[in-house]
This record gives sequence, structure tokens and C-alpha cells, in this order.
Amino acid sequence: SQTIHQWPATLVQPVGSPLSLECTVEGTSNPNLYWYRQAAGRGLQLLFYSVGIGQISSEVPQNLSASRPQDRQFILSSKKLLLSDSGFYLCAWATSYPGELFFGEGSRLTVL
Amino acid sequence: GESVGLHLPTLSVQEGDNSIINCAYSNSASDYFIWYKQESGKGPQFIIDIRSNMDKRQGQRVTVLLNKTVKHLSLQIAATQPGDSAVYFCAESSNDYKLSFGAGTTVTVRA
Repeated sequence: SQTIHQWPATLVQPVGSPLSLECTVEGTSNPNLYWYRQAAGRGLQLLFYSVGIGQISSEVPQNLSASRPQDRQFILSSKKLLLSDSGFYLCAWATSYPGELFFGEGSRLTVL
Repeated sequence: GESVGLHLPTLSVQEGDNSIINCAYSNSASDYFIWYKQESGKGPQFIIDIRSNMDKRQGQRVTVLLNKTVKHLSLQIAATQPGDSAVYFCAESSNDYKLSFGAGTTVTVRA
């Protein structure tokens, strides 16, 4: 069966520090991968998606970047965090359209 | 860009009653719709989906209705239980792999 792992689960970082969130998917190949952000009490905003290794599409201009070094690995990064980067970050995958996105358990980032 | 939204941010329902959660969308090209449930501190979980060539789909205790004429989507939960308390999101997609989410409705079940 397919599983998705996302870490770390929680992170408290000072403003200006770097960020790296990792996501890996098991049990499937060539998935579409996604990073969403959820502000407190809000909906999910699509940040990045990837249809293959090295292929990244950015949905909104921001302080973050994404990379896909391997087929089932998706990384969200920042060189210098801003207060506004705080939120709940969710990784997701899908293999067919139409079809559901399968979400990870999320990473809660607090920037102080 | 196109948006997906919900009519009400909160819904309080008595245990055992039926719940109806509404969602409006604006993209007439949307062809796939999905409902997710999110419990506090967790990732969203799939509830039910529907394609634009259908107007109703039923699952276990849940029904999704799609009215393309007025661009309206609803989720009905039968015999609401305490475990149904969560935030519910509708999402839509238009012939691509990207889902756009609404703001969510918080459902609280009263005992």
C-alpha cells in the first residue's frame, strides 16, 4: 500500500533562518507531488507541484522553493524565513486524474 | 484566479441529525470535485468525490450533490456522529492535477 511521510512534524525557527521540510512517498512510482500551506483557520493554498524529477511549478510568488531530487521525494526550502512563512505545510501525492490527493500529516512551522 | 468558497464558516448540528455543508465555485470549466475532512492538527482525509458528468453520488452516510447550473456543491452527512466534528473542505479541479480548496466549514456535533 502507498504511504506518505512528512517531517519534521513541528518546527520553531527564528526569522532569517533556513528551512527544509521533507516528504517521501512509498508504494507508488512517478507520482505528482504537491506542497500546500494552510494558515490558521484558513483553507489550503497550493505552493508547488511537480509532475516529475526536477520539474517544479510554482503557484504563488513567495520566499520558498521546492525541489524533487528523486522520484518520490519532495523538499520545501527557504534560505531566510519570514514571519509570514508560519503555517501548516502539507505534502500530497496523486497518480491519476481525476482522483484524490493523498495528504501527509503535515508540518507545523512557527517563525519567531 | 478562480475561487472555491463555502457559504458558512461554521455549522453546529445535534448528534443524530443530518448535516448539510455547502460550497460555491466560480470556474465553469471545473470537472472534478472532492470533499475532504480535516481533524485538528492532521492532514485532510478524502470523503467523497464527483465528476461533472454526475449530479449525485453516495457513499457511506455521505452524499455529494452537484448543481452545475448554479455552480454549487453540497455534502450531506446522515445521522451525524461526534466523530464527524472536523473542518470540511470542498475542492475543485479543471482538467488538471491541481486542486483548489475552499476556506472550510467547521462542523461541531452537539451531544
